[in-house]
Parts: sequence; structure tokens; C-alpha cells
Amino acid sequence: GENVEQHPSTLSVQEGDSAVIKCTYSDSASNYFPWYKQELGKRPQLIIDIRSNVGEKKDQRIAVTLNKTAKHFSLHITETQPEDSAVYFCAATGGSYIPTFGRGTSLIVHP
Amino acid sequence: DAGVIQSPRHEVTEMGQEVTLRCKPISGHDYLFWYRQTMMRGLELLIYFNNNVPIDDSGMPEDRFSAKMPNASFSTLKIQPSEPRDSAVYFCASSLGGGINTGELFFGEGSRLTVL
Repeated sequence: GENVEQHPSTLSVQEGDSAVIKCTYSDSASNYFPWYKQELGKRPQLIIDIRSNVGEKKDQRIAVTLNKTAKHFSLHITETQPEDSAVYFCAATGGSYIPTFGRGTSLIVHP
Repeated sequence: DAGVIQSPRHEVTEMGQEVTLRCKPISGHDYLFWYRQTMMRGLELLIYFNNNVPIDDSGMPEDRFSAKMPNASFSTLKIQPSEPRDSAVYFCASSLGGGINTGELFFGEGSRLTVL
């Protein structure tokens, strides 16, 4: 089955800095890569996703990149703000529509 | 739609008691998932259903755990008997699969279980 590795487990940045979270996956058949944000005490919610037919997608301050050859994808957050503090989960999904999640990255943005 | 609805939001019980968690998925969604979240193990998939049929329950930790989906709008996760190590947040999620649909998961608010 699919295996998703996510790094780092904890990321601490100053407000205004950029943050990058990286994930690797094992199943070359995976074709959909969502990112979820979970604020403290809340539910995970989708913030951005990318499909295998594109290499990059951007939405305001967040962007995702995908390298299918190397089987890795990344989340980039620019100009971080305290409200970006949360746990971020990457996932890889194949034709079964069943996502495999990474272990999560706790992002802390210091004012 | 009100989203995925879970109950109870919080449950505190004593070891050995039966616990039943409930979930109402988003209307029209054909996939339903039960996840367990802990600090140590992250988000673990316990079981998922497609069109009310359990497809994969390999994540269910023990026979003490069981899940049902009697119809398209209701599912339960039962733990009997409960143990302190079952303490976690249990999330239900639903999605619409097939064709060009995204497969995005919509999570409920979660049920925080504490077993004393």
C-alpha cells in the first residue's frame, strides 16, 4: 500500500518568514495530493490540493509543488502570520479515493 | 448542508464501559471514514465504507472495536469494553468519490473520548 513520509514534524518560524513542509510517497499510481490544516481543537480542513498532471499550484500565500518522478510534493507558505500556526497534513490518493496521510507538521509562527 | 455531524463531542467513561460514537455524513457522499487521532500515532484510518458497505477494516485495532453503517445517513463506531488506551479524538469524514470528483474529505468536529 501507499506510504507517506512528512518532514519536519515541527517547524518554528518568525512572522513574515516562509515555511516549507515536504512529503514523499511510495505508490506511483497516486494522482491526487491534498493538504489539510488542523487548528488547535478543530477539525482538519482542506487548504489546497494538486493533481498529478500539474507541477505547481498557488493560492495567495500558499503553494504546492509536485515532482512525480521523485515522488515528492511540498507545501510552501510565504509571509507567514500567527494564524498560520496549526498542524498541517499531507496526503496521497490513488484511484481508490482513499487518502494516506502523513504524520503531520506542527507549524508555530512567532509574532 | 450542515457538514459532517458527530456526537457526542466529548465522552468521559470508565474502563470497561461501552462507548458508541455517531456520525451523520454529508448528504450524497458515498464514502465514510472513521479516523482516530492521537499525539503518538497521528491520524489513523480505522475503517471506511462505500455506499454503506464496509470496505476495509484493517485499521480497527481489536475486536473490541466495531462499526456499522445501516443507511446512507448514519454510522456508528462502538468500543466494548473500553480501555484507557482508547482515549483519543475520533473523527468521522465523508467524501464523494468516482469520476472527476476530487476525493476531498470533509471531517466532522470529532469526538474526544477519555477512558478513565
